[in-house]
Amino acid sequence: KQEVTQIPAALSVPEGENLVLNCSFTDSAIYNLQWFRQDPGKGLTSLLLIQSSQREQTSGRLNASLDKSSGRSTLYIAASQPGDSATYLCAVQSTGNQFYFGTGTSLTVIP
Amino acid sequence: KAGVTQTPRYLIKTRGQQVTLSCSPISGHRSVSWYQQTPGQGLQFLFEYFSETQRNKGNFPGRFSGRQFSNSRSEMNVSTLELGDSALYLCASSPAGTNAYEQYFGPGTRLTVT
Repeated sequence: KQEVTQIPAALSVPEGENLVLNCSFTDSAIYNLQWFRQDPGKGLTSLLLIQSSQREQTSGRLNASLDKSSGRSTLYIAASQPGDSATYLCAVQSTGNQFYFGTGTSLTVIP
Repeated sequence: KAGVTQTPRYLIKTRGQQVTLSCSPISGHRSVSWYQQTPGQGLQFLFEYFSETQRNKGNFPGRFSGRQFSNSRSEMNVSTLELGDSALYLCASSPAGTNAYEQYFGPGTRLTVT
C-alpha cells in the first residue's frame, strides 16, 4: 500500500524567506503527484500537478519537482508572504486510480 | 465554470442516525471521489464513482456507501452514525477518462455527531 509522508509537520518562517516542503512516497508506480493548499476548515485548492513523466512544474512563486526513482517531491515557495500561511498537502495517484495523501505541512509566514 | 459544490456545508446529527451528503461535480467531469478528513487520520479515501459505477473503494466499513447519478452528481450515505464519524467530508471531481488526472475539491461538509 502506498504511504505518503510530509516533513516537516509544521514550519514557521519570516516573510520574504524562500522555503522547501518535502513529500516522500513508498511506491514509485504513480501516475501523478499533486500539491494542494488547505486553509482552516476549507476544501483543498490545487496548486501544481506533476505527471509521472515530468520532473517539475512551475506556477508563479511555486515550483514543484518530482523524483520518482527516489520517491520524493519538493514544493519550493519563493519570497514567502503571510497569505501563504496554510496547510500544504501532497497526494499521489497510484496505479488503480487511488489517491493517497500525506498528513500535510502547516506553514506560518510571520509578517 | 462553476466549481465543485457540496451540500449541506454543516450538519449535526445524533449517534445512531443516518446522513446523506451531496456533491455536484464540475460540469463535464465524470469522476467523483469522496474523502474523510480528521485531525488524527488526515485525508482518507472513501470511494470513487465513474459513470455511475463505483470504480475504487477505500478501507471503510459498509456503513459508508455512495452512488452516482446519470448527471454525475454523487451522494454519500453514512448509516448508524458513530461519534468517530465526526469529520470534514470532501468530494473531488475529475475529468477522468484516462489514467492520470487532476482532482478538484469542493469546500466540504462538516459533520458533527453528538
